[in-house]
Amino acid sequence: DAGVTQSPTHLIKTRGQQVTLRCSPISGHKSVSWYQQVLGQGPQFIFQYYEKEERGRGNFPDRFSARQFPNYSSELNVNALLLGDSALYLCASSADQASLSYNEQFFGPGTRLTVL
Amino acid sequence: AQSVTQLGSHVSVSEGALVLLRCNYSSSVPPYLFWYVQYPNQGLQLLLKYTSAATLVKGINGFEAEFKKSETSFHLTKPSAHMSDAAEYFCAVSDQGFQKLVFGTGTRLLVSP
Repeated sequence: DAGVTQSPTHLIKTRGQQVTLRCSPISGHKSVSWYQQVLGQGPQFIFQYYEKEERGRGNFPDRFSARQFPNYSSELNVNALLLGDSALYLCASSADQASLSYNEQFFGPGTRLTVL
Repeated sequence: AQSVTQLGSHVSVSEGALVLLRCNYSSSVPPYLFWYVQYPNQGLQLLLKYTSAATLVKGINGFEAEFKKSETSFHLTKPSAHMSDAAEYFCAVSDQGFQKLVFGTGTRLLVSP
């Protein structure tokens, strides 16, 4: 089975631009979460979506937004990019409560965003 | 609020030596605890998880961790290090209802021949 996939792998943008990152969860997973990992730090929670509804949001400004589609894939949008937005953006998917692996999050390889 | 503290940003061991990576958590509710490993330029891979069943949890690649409520700890161990274990290790906590993970700052494991 394919794992969580993310695109693109790498991205270079300039300050003030907007970026869209994409994530496809593991087949059958309805929940998608986004994390930001700045170099040298642990991942920080940004959003969680379940069945196209936002279930949680971390301490990030409104420049960050996300959505989930009927096929459970997800997009993370960041507007008005700042130098500090340079990071590895990780997507994770998880199964329903009925699943034995409900409390596990499976991570994709990430998208490396560089803001110049 | 939940939090995780990982003691030691870097741990160096020799190949064949015991690996001990420390993690202490803070949670107002019974926690779920996780250890993830991250190899360079890759995402996170789950090593093991504690979800209020057995306090001694065995994971992949020979790693295990013990949940100690009295010490609020969840240290990761491996009896004998391999060169392939060199990576960044993250401890994380979540509550039992919401799947948001709160990560520690990570510990880089260095393994020398």
